[in-house]
Amino acid sequence: GNSVTQMEGPVTLSEEAFLTINCTYTATGYPSLFWYVQYPGEGLQLLLKATKADDKGSNKGFEATYRKETTSFHLEKGSVQVSDSAVYFCALSEIAQGAQKLVFGQGTRLTINP
Amino acid sequence: DTGVSQDPRHKITKRGQNVTFRCDPISEHNRLYWYRQTLGQGPEFLTYFQNEAQLEKSRLLSDRFSAERPKGSFSTLEIQRTEQGDSAMYLCASSFRLANEQFFGPGTRLTVL
Repeated sequence: GNSVTQMEGPVTLSEEAFLTINCTYTATGYPSLFWYVQYPGEGLQLLLKATKADDKGSNKGFEATYRKETTSFHLEKGSVQVSDSAVYFCALSEIAQGAQKLVFGQGTRLTINP
Repeated sequence: DTGVSQDPRHKITKRGQNVTFRCDPISEHNRLYWYRQTLGQGPEFLTYFQNEAQLEKSRLLSDRFSAERPKGSFSTLEIQRTEQGDSAMYLCASSFRLANEQFFGPGTRLTVL
């Protein structure tokens, strides 16, 4: 079945450091890919998405490019802030009965120190 | 737009008791999803509704679990005869008919003692 593998955490960085969180996937067909973020005490929020190969999703300084040849969707940010501390989930969509069912990775906890 | 809401936010129960959770989706969204998230893991799909019809259920959803969405509005997830392994965060999400994005609620954290 389809699956998503994320870089294991926790990841701890200093403010203004460069961030990469690796994500690779296994899927039949060409799913849409997503990054969700979960801040402490809050629900999952969509951070960015890409729906086809070579698409780049971006939001709040974060970027990820849909790489079909390497089946990857790595999350990057050039200069992280303390407020970026959260758990990040990579996900892909499976079509089931006309709906988009999400398959998530295990999550990567990110802590940014001032 | 008030977002997806879930009630209660926390539930502590004893093994063997029944529990029911409620999810109120964003008002114009006709698709509703339930996921379960255990500690240190990503959410796993449980079931999906389009309007009032339950169209798919995961194998994770044992016979002790039942979900409804009467009139295609709010949804309930009931767990009968709870077990300690049911302890998890139960997440609800909704989406608009043709949209790609699922909007998640804050979740209900269940602890079974």
